[in-house]
Amino acid sequence: NAGVTQTPKFQVLKTGQSMTLQCAQDMNHEYMSWYRQDPGMGLRLIHYSVGAGITDQGEVPNGYNVSRSTTEDFPLRLLSAAPSQTSVYFCASSTGQGIGYTFGSGTRLTVV
Amino acid sequence: KQEVTQIPAALSVPEGENLVLNCSFTDSAIYNLQWFRQDPGKGLTSLLLIQSSQREQTSGRLNASLDKSSGRSTLYIAASQPGDSATYLCAVRLTAGNNRKLIWGLGTSLAVNP
Repeated sequence: NAGVTQTPKFQVLKTGQSMTLQCAQDMNHEYMSWYRQDPGMGLRLIHYSVGAGITDQGEVPNGYNVSRSTTEDFPLRLLSAAPSQTSVYFCASSTGQGIGYTFGSGTRLTVV
Repeated sequence: KQEVTQIPAALSVPEGENLVLNCSFTDSAIYNLQWFRQDPGKGLTSLLLIQSSQREQTSGRLNASLDKSSGRSTLYIAASQPGDSATYLCAVRLTAGNNRKLIWGLGTSLAVNP
């Protein structure tokens, strides 16, 4: 099915561990982004990319790295997990015109 | 600083009612406004997008309006059904630039009771 695929759906990490959240889209969207969703705070932009090889920071980038080697994939790396990174993470993509956004089903991350 | 507010935070209605969800924003200089639906434990589904030059958009039983001058958007749901139960989020995009950052409301949690 066309859309945005995120893996894993659930993950528990210990403080200090690193991991990569995967995001892939098959709609040839040039724009991809990562959001985190926390109770009472809404969704906040972590990083975004306007095309392969181009990434930039959103409003809460600290502790996260991204890369965009292909149009399809936009992984999010947690360098050293902290309890404050416990959240639900969403990947989203949109067309070059940014007309609308397609979201993945999310990754629920718990850092203990 | 752009802020997006959604009222009410939660709403419970009997099946069949027509209802209105509200979204307000503090800065009228927006590029577009989008309504999303989020089901528990799932991702977000785009419902309607209104460009800044538009006044409303319709999809089936859903109608979204935009009044930039007053900083308001409403999502109208006609003849509500239990399957409409979800959290409804509105998001404002500020510019046409590369950032494409969305400013989000906290959502309205809707329960439609059979």
